[in-house]
Amino acid sequence: SAVISQKPSRDICQRGTSLTIQCQVDSQVTMMFWYRQQPGQSLTLIATANQGSEATYESGFVIDKFPISRPNLTFSTLTVSNMSPEDSSIYLCSVGVGGGGQAFFGQGTRLTVV
Amino acid sequence: TQLLEQSPQFLSIQEGENLTVYCNSSSVFSSLQWYRQEPGEGPVLLVTVVTGGEVKKLKRLTFQFGDARKDSSLHITAAQPGDTGLYLCALIQGAQKLVFGQGTRLTINP
Repeated sequence: SAVISQKPSRDICQRGTSLTIQCQVDSQVTMMFWYRQQPGQSLTLIATANQGSEATYESGFVIDKFPISRPNLTFSTLTVSNMSPEDSSIYLCSVGVGGGGQAFFGQGTRLTVV
Repeated sequence: TQLLEQSPQFLSIQEGENLTVYCNSSSVFSSLQWYRQEPGEGPVLLVTVVTGGEVKKLKRLTFQFGDARKDSSLHITAAQPGDTGLYLCALIQGAQKLVFGQGTRLTINP
C-alpha cells in the first residue's frame, strides 16, 4: 500500500495568481499521477510525472498551465498557473502500486479561484 | 465520447433498499476497477474484476464483470447511510494511469 499526503488541503486564490500543490508518498514509486476533479464530476488525468524526465501531459493539458516537478521518487508538485475561476476544482495526486494496478490517492486539494 | 458510461449519475434511496449501478462501454477491457470516493477524500479501490462473467462480493456489495468484458455492475444490498459516496468505475490504460467513468453519486437516506 501507499500513504499519500497532499498540501494544502484547500485554498482560495485570486485570479491571475499561481498555486503549487505538494504530494508526498511514504515509499519510492516510479510514476506519480495528477488528476483534476471539477465540481460534481469525475476524475480526469492531467499528467504523469516520472522522476528524472519531463511529465507527460494528456490531451487538453499543457505544461505552461500545469508545470510539474518530480525531484525524487517520493515527491512531486503540481502548479496551477495564472488561475481563473474555471480552474476551481479538486486536484489529486495518485500512485500505482503492485502488479494489480491498484491506485492510491491523496485526499485532494480543493482549489477555489475568485 | 466517454469511454466508460456510468448510470445512473445520481441516485438517492432510503436505507435498507437495494440498488444497482452500471458501467458500460463499446470496448473490451482486460480488467475493470470500482472505486468509492467520500467527501474530502481521494477514491479508494473496492475491487478489480478481470475475468468475463466474474462475480466478486465485498460484504453487501456484489460486483459483476460482463461475459464479453464490456460492462460491469455494482449491486448494493440493504443500503446503509455509510454507503453514501461517489462510485467510480475505471480502467487501466498504459502504465498504471486510470480512465474513469462519470461516476454515480449515491445518497442513502436514513
